[in-house]
Amino acid sequence: EDQVTQSPEALRLQEGESSSLNCSYTVSGLRGLFWYRQDPGKGPEFLFTLYSAGEEKEKERLKATLTKKESFLHITAPKPEDSATYLCAVGGTGGFKTIFGAGTRLFVKA
Amino acid sequence: DTAVSQTPKYLVTQMGNDKSIKCEQNLGHDTMYWYKQDSKKFLKIMFSYNNKELIINETVPNRFSPKSPDKAHLNLHINSLELGDSAVYFCASSAGGSSYEQYFGPGTRLTVT
Repeated sequence: EDQVTQSPEALRLQEGESSSLNCSYTVSGLRGLFWYRQDPGKGPEFLFTLYSAGEEKEKERLKATLTKKESFLHITAPKPEDSATYLCAVGGTGGFKTIFGAGTRLFVKA
Repeated sequence: DTAVSQTPKYLVTQMGNDKSIKCEQNLGHDTMYWYKQDSKKFLKIMFSYNNKELIINETVPNRFSPKSPDKAHLNLHINSLELGDSAVYFCASSAGGSSYEQYFGPGTRLTVT
């Protein structure tokens, strides 16, 4: 069964303190690994898509990487405005089903 | 211009009532989805439509009936509402299947009392 597990559940950082979020996945036939950001009271907002092991994508202070079993979202020198829930998802079996992880809630304190 | 819109944003109703949530996307996408996000913020797919055709129905009670009048619209009708239906419901769209990123609406918070 396709599965996505994110860790940690919550992460508290000081402004400028870099860290990484983990997403482990099990899927038969990866069609894409996605990272989304969700702010309270809003819908998830697309950040990155990764398709193959070794691929990396960057956007401002965020960098996503992919291996055959997991993905990392690296946050460099975070700012308070980076506080949000970060969701990992995989495009799974059948071509039209996306499985989301439970998310990591990130708190960045000034 | 809002890419994916949902109405209403909030819905408070009593058990046993029937309600609908509407979704529209102006991105020209072929695929639309309904997700349920529970109190623990876990986002779970309910339905997936491609070119107005139902592709995925994730063991959702048949009290939930999606309808896609055209590619830009996917509505969700819920009969005989139960307390456990309380959640935030998100509509989303993508250019194709699960290889493509999805664009989400703002969500509809449904509260059943």
